[in-house]
Amino acid sequence: DAKTTQPPSMDCAEGRAANLPCNHSTISGNEYVYWYRQIHSQGPQYIIHGLKNNETNEMASLIITEDRKSSTLILPHATLRDTAVYYCIVRVHPKAAGNKLTFGGGTRVLVKP
Amino acid sequence: DTAVSQTPKYLVTQMGNDKSIKCEQNLGHDTMYWYKQDSKKFLKIMFSYNNKELIINETVPNRFSPKSPDKAHLNLHINSLELGDSAVYFCASSLMTSGVSNEQFFGPGTRLTVL
Repeated sequence: DAKTTQPPSMDCAEGRAANLPCNHSTISGNEYVYWYRQIHSQGPQYIIHGLKNNETNEMASLIITEDRKSSTLILPHATLRDTAVYYCIVRVHPKAAGNKLTFGGGTRVLVKP
Repeated sequence: DTAVSQTPKYLVTQMGNDKSIKCEQNLGHDTMYWYKQDSKKFLKIMFSYNNKELIINETVPNRFSPKSPDKAHLNLHINSLELGDSAVYFCASSLMTSGVSNEQFFGPGTRLTVL
């Protein structure tokens, strides 16, 4: 699976959009971009994933650059409950790889009032 | 209503003891996992079972033995506990045969402390 690079931490104001970058310059054509988050003392939680197109769900939006070498997770209106460590994971389709998630260091996001 | 549950939530034990952690999911998933999160907060896959068969076995000491009595349960037995086994252990499940999403659902974790 391709390696990802994320900033170790970032702050965000409550009610504003939080833009979380992820670099994955060695991504292969069959690899997806997944985002999970881990709120303190809880298990990781799936947020969103994509292959080439931008994706949106009730939690967030995922913007993938045209060359697929980087992506941005957008939390449109951050709340205090969004304070967590956010993980960007790149991997082949789960059926091909046994569905293993390889977590890096993630970005520690602190939403401030 | 809990989707993925683990017992116990906390486990404190002495070095050399044998202990088990239990995991159950009521999501109808066919694949279950064990992850370990150490003191530096890195999450690493340990094992994965699909339909009760082992499909992922990372480089884990053979003191760790997973057991899957059925698709809804995956237990982790640890023999001869060592100080370095202290960590938070997370169970997860997913539907391997699903379409695109295939997200994993994680349990609340079991904090193991070896004294």
